[in-house]
Amino acid sequence: EADIYQTPRYLVIGTGKKITLECSQTMGHDKMYWYQQDPGMELHLIHYSYGVNSTEKGDLSSESTVSRIRTEHFPLTLESARPSHTSQYLCASSEYTGTSGEHTQYFGPGTRLTVL
Amino acid sequence: QQPVQSPQAVILREGEDAVINCSSSKALYSVHWYRQKHGEAPVFLMILLKGGEQMRHEKISASFNEKKQQSSLYLTASQLSYSGTYFCGTEVEGRDDKIIFGKGTRLHILP
Repeated sequence: EADIYQTPRYLVIGTGKKITLECSQTMGHDKMYWYQQDPGMELHLIHYSYGVNSTEKGDLSSESTVSRIRTEHFPLTLESARPSHTSQYLCASSEYTGTSGEHTQYFGPGTRLTVL
Repeated sequence: QQPVQSPQAVILREGEDAVINCSSSKALYSVHWYRQKHGEAPVFLMILLKGGEQMRHEKISASFNEKKQQSSLYLTASQLSYSGTYFCGTEVEGRDDKIIFGKGTRLHILP
């Protein structure tokens, strides 16, 4: 069982506000990910990190930014929130679990963001 | 690059079997299967590697056909707790440790 935490769990905010979604894991995993998921829909990878000071954009273009200053912490920031940003944001981290280099992703509980 | 899942949705009675398929146009290194219940985060079920064996999680098993770049998830004697959305995630050869998920298959088990 992985320990990965996200705060806040729910956020309702007005247009134009700057927000930061927090994600922390206590397993020392190097790789961390942010996904965006609309209700009942697929997971879209928006950012990932292979370790400290490493960040990459995912396959879905996003106006958000991320930072990775510490291994355990991978916050996501929206400089100016808009209604189109309304969605669920899931953070994940992964570890190598087998002898063949396979890795398993563990997901946090998610932050449900609503921008009015 | 996104894998294609089929069917989009399945409704079963408890005890029936189901198969969910996942295919990719890219050469794959691994296929990951996750289940997500409504309002919860996805939960890892199993991973299949190129050249690896068929995997099993309780009464759920999966296979990976490397020639077809296809994986199938087999749910045997389904239980009410199997309800949820099943996502396959694929990792292409080259090992960038990125998992790209399919659109998901909704499974609803009736008592």
